[in-house]
Amino acid sequence: GAGVSQTPSNKVTEKGKYVELRCDPISGHTALYWYRQSLGQGPEFLIYFQGTGAADDSGLPNDRFFAVRPEGSVSTLKIQRTERGDSAVYLCASSYKGTETQYFGPGTRLLVL
Amino acid sequence: DQQVKQNSPSLSVQEGRISILNCDYTNSMFDYFLWYKKYPAEGPTFLISISSIKDKNEDGRFTVFLNKSAKHLSLHIVPSQPGDSAVYFCAASGSNYKLTFGKGTLLTVNP
Repeated sequence: GAGVSQTPSNKVTEKGKYVELRCDPISGHTALYWYRQSLGQGPEFLIYFQGTGAADDSGLPNDRFFAVRPEGSVSTLKIQRTERGDSAVYLCASSYKGTETQYFGPGTRLLVL
Repeated sequence: DQQVKQNSPSLSVQEGRISILNCDYTNSMFDYFLWYKKYPAEGPTFLISISSIKDKNEDGRFTVFLNKSAKHLSLHIVPSQPGDSAVYFCAASGSNYKLTFGKGTLLTVNP
C-alpha cells in the first residue's frame, strides 16, 4: 500500500514568511509524528498526534511552530515568521495505534533565505 | 545531552564481510530500540527493532543485539552488499513512543 507522503518535497522561502508543510500518513495509522533533521544530526522529535489531538508537543522549539490534524488523518505543520535557523528537513512518520514502529515519509526540505 | 550515541560517524567494509554498527544509550527508561537506514534525499526506512525484553532479533541478513546492562546495542549485517551503503540511525523510545535518534553512521560497502 501507499506509504507516508509529504508535500512539498522542497520549499524555499524568505525570512519572516509563513510556511505550511503537509503530511499524509499511512491509511489506518492513528499516530502521527513530526521530526526535524538538521545537517549532520539525527531526526529530532517535534510533536506527536494520537487521532486529532496533540498528545505531546514538547519538541516544538517555540510558539512560531504549530501543527494540526483536524480529521485525524492529514496533518499540517505551520511555521510563522520563518528564520534562517528553521532550515532543515522536516520529516513526518506514522504508526498503528501508537505502536513503536514508525514509518517515515520522504521529508520536506525547507530553506529559509 | 545526547541520550542515544553512535560514536562512529563512518564505517567502510568489503562486500561479503560483516558490518557491525554500534549504538549506546543513557536513558534506562528506553524499552524499544530501532534501526533505520537512510539514503540521500529520502526519509529513514525502518530496518529492524528489538524490545528490551529480548537480547537478539534476526531478520534475514540483519541481526540486532541488545545488552541492557551495558546500555548498548549493535546491528550486524552479513553478508554486506554494496546496496547496503547508506546512513544507519539507531533510535530508542520509551512509554511515550517518541523516538530519540543517534547522529547516524555512514556505512560504505566496497565491491
